[in-house]
Amino acid sequence: AQSVTQPDIHITVSEGASLELRCNYSYGATPYLFWYVQSPGQGLQLLLKYFSGDTLVQGIKGFEAEFKRSQSSFNLRKPSVHWSDAAEYFCAVGRIKAAGNKLTFGGGTRVLVKP
Amino acid sequence: DTAVSQTPKYLVTQMGNDKSIKCEQNLGHDTMYWYKQDSKKFLKIMFSYNNKELIINETVPNRFSPKSPDKAHLNLHINSLELGDSAVYFCASSQTSGGARNEQFFGPGTRLTVL
Repeated sequence: AQSVTQPDIHITVSEGASLELRCNYSYGATPYLFWYVQSPGQGLQLLLKYFSGDTLVQGIKGFEAEFKRSQSSFNLRKPSVHWSDAAEYFCAVGRIKAAGNKLTFGGGTRVLVKP
Repeated sequence: DTAVSQTPKYLVTQMGNDKSIKCEQNLGHDTMYWYKQDSKKFLKIMFSYNNKELIINETVPNRFSPKSPDKAHLNLHINSLELGDSAVYFCASSQTSGGARNEQFFGPGTRLTVL
């Protein structure tokens, strides 16, 4: 069964500082990996995704993530955080090209940004 | 130009009532989903429909009944509401045929409160 772990429930970071959110997954095949962001009271917005190829993927809002198969990780990074990045971040894993696919989400990491 | 929309945004009701949540997507996708987000922000798949056919039915009480009148709509009807049904329900859609990568697009969510 697939599973996703986000070890950090909360992270507080100063505006302008760098941010790294950890994600570890368990999956029996080649995974599709996603990072979503949920601002307060909003739905989920896709930040970036990994399917294959280059293990460093770029996303929207200046985010990037690196897929490391040996560590079963897909950590999200941003070099300089803005106050508007305060939100809940979810890592998810899904199956490839399968009807009946579902996303399995991690528990989320809440990011607080200090001025 | 809303991609995935849900109505209502908020729903407050008494225990024992029956209620419905509607979802529509204008992305031309062939697959739609319902996810439940509990009070701890944990997201879990409930149902998935592909071309109006139910393909995922997780362990959900049979008080929950999804219905897909066409590919662009997926409604969720809940009978005999219980306190534990209070949550945010997200609809999502994706394209899973034709080699698509199953990037799921989420609606804004419906916050259900059962009193």
